[in-house]
Amino acid sequence: DTGVSQDPRHKITKRGQNVTFRCDPISEHNRLYWYRQTLGQGPEFLTYFQNEAQLEKSRLLSDRFSAERPKGSFSTLEIQRTEQGDSAMYLCASSLQVSGNTIYFGEGSWLTVV
Amino acid sequence: KQEVTQIPAALSVPEGENLVLNCSFTDSAIYNLQWFRQDPGKGLTSLLLIQSSQREQTSGRLNASLDKSSGRSTLYIAASQPGDSATYLCAVAGNTPLVFGKGTRLSVIA
Repeated sequence: DTGVSQDPRHKITKRGQNVTFRCDPISEHNRLYWYRQTLGQGPEFLTYFQNEAQLEKSRLLSDRFSAERPKGSFSTLEIQRTEQGDSAMYLCASSLQVSGNTIYFGEGSWLTVV
Repeated sequence: KQEVTQIPAALSVPEGENLVLNCSFTDSAIYNLQWFRQDPGKGLTSLLLIQSSQREQTSGRLNASLDKSSGRSTLYIAASQPGDSATYLCAVAGNTPLVFGKGTRLSVIA
């Protein structure tokens, strides 16, 4: 069990550029979640997958955001045409598909849009 | 829509003191409640998970209680230490994925 890993840990990008974050969940976990957190706030849900199926998307996930989990293992979160308001920490988490199971978070990917 | 509130927003205590952090939620139809710790600039570390059928969970100096009918949970930290300084987040899972409060920022002064 190597935990949830995220890459890159930090990204600075110019407004209008595209960025992609990768998440590798705990190996036997079939659920994967993406959250966004800004300073002084709790994490906000963006989307989640069960295996390769994207089961729910928050209205926070505008059409500039897309997430994939092509083989039910790692996931990517892409933000197109970044805006300064996208600056935040993007957190990935995973769990087993059992009601009431603990959700484990990665260290997060910090995005700064300048 | 589930809403989670944590009180106080910040707390500063001398080392050795026992303390209580509070969490309330608006929709009692939850599967479980989870307490997390977050150090500055870091991800979240799970501390305790309480199932909806449980009243409390303990881990070391931490004890979390759940009163689902009143929509409340508390996290009790005994004999606080400077290493306990962090932000503590409460989150509830129901028909939607985890919904978080804004956290309580704890400082334990040596």
